[in-house]
Amino acid sequence: GEDVEQSLFLSVREGDSSVINCTYTDSSSTYLYWYKQEPGAGLQLLTYIFSNMDMKQDQRLTVLLNKKDKHLSLRIADTQTGDSAIYFCAESGSFQKLVFGTGTRLLVSP
Amino acid sequence: NAGVTQTPKFRILKIGQSMTLQCAQDMNHNYMYWYRQDPGMGLKLIYYSVGAGITDKGEVPNGYNVSRSTTEDFPLRLELAAPSQTSVYFCASSYGRIQETQYFGPGTRLLVL
Repeated sequence: GEDVEQSLFLSVREGDSSVINCTYTDSSSTYLYWYKQEPGAGLQLLTYIFSNMDMKQDQRLTVLLNKKDKHLSLRIADTQTGDSAIYFCAESGSFQKLVFGTGTRLLVSP
Repeated sequence: NAGVTQTPKFRILKIGQSMTLQCAQDMNHNYMYWYRQDPGMGLKLIYYSVGAGITDKGEVPNGYNVSRSTTEDFPLRLELAAPSQTSVYFCASSYGRIQETQYFGPGTRLLVL
């Protein structure tokens, strides 16, 4: 079945780079997504990558996809305190149904 | 545009009570979804709809019902509330193409005692 796994917690200092990792099981996933959830709020799409791409860069965000190992990562450059949130990896399961990971809580300290 | 709106924001139910969680979107999206998020967990899909009059079960549909009489509204019904349904419920919508982002509402926090 479809399964997405993430580490639970990451702590970094302001200005450092953050790397959040994710592994997934469904090799037929067409798109892989990163969502951000701030306290008390819904999920906000940060970025997504098509499965035939290796890398996608969007300002401070870099997504790397290793399709062979079914590994996805999100790198946030120059991490700010406002980046503190829970980050969810998701894969596109059967048509338009997303399968979410458990989320990685990122804590950025000054 | 208001985007995706949900009401209520918070509710406490007694075991066995029923309630309807409301969800509406003003983006003319075809697809709508209901998820639940348990503490420390990812989102699990309860039900989804690909258009007015069409609904289908997601991963965890037991104890819930939905209807989709209009494009804009997608209410979620709990008939006999149980403590296991204590969760945060998120509604989302998307236009429908596979690469289209899902837009999420702010969530409804439900506590069943």
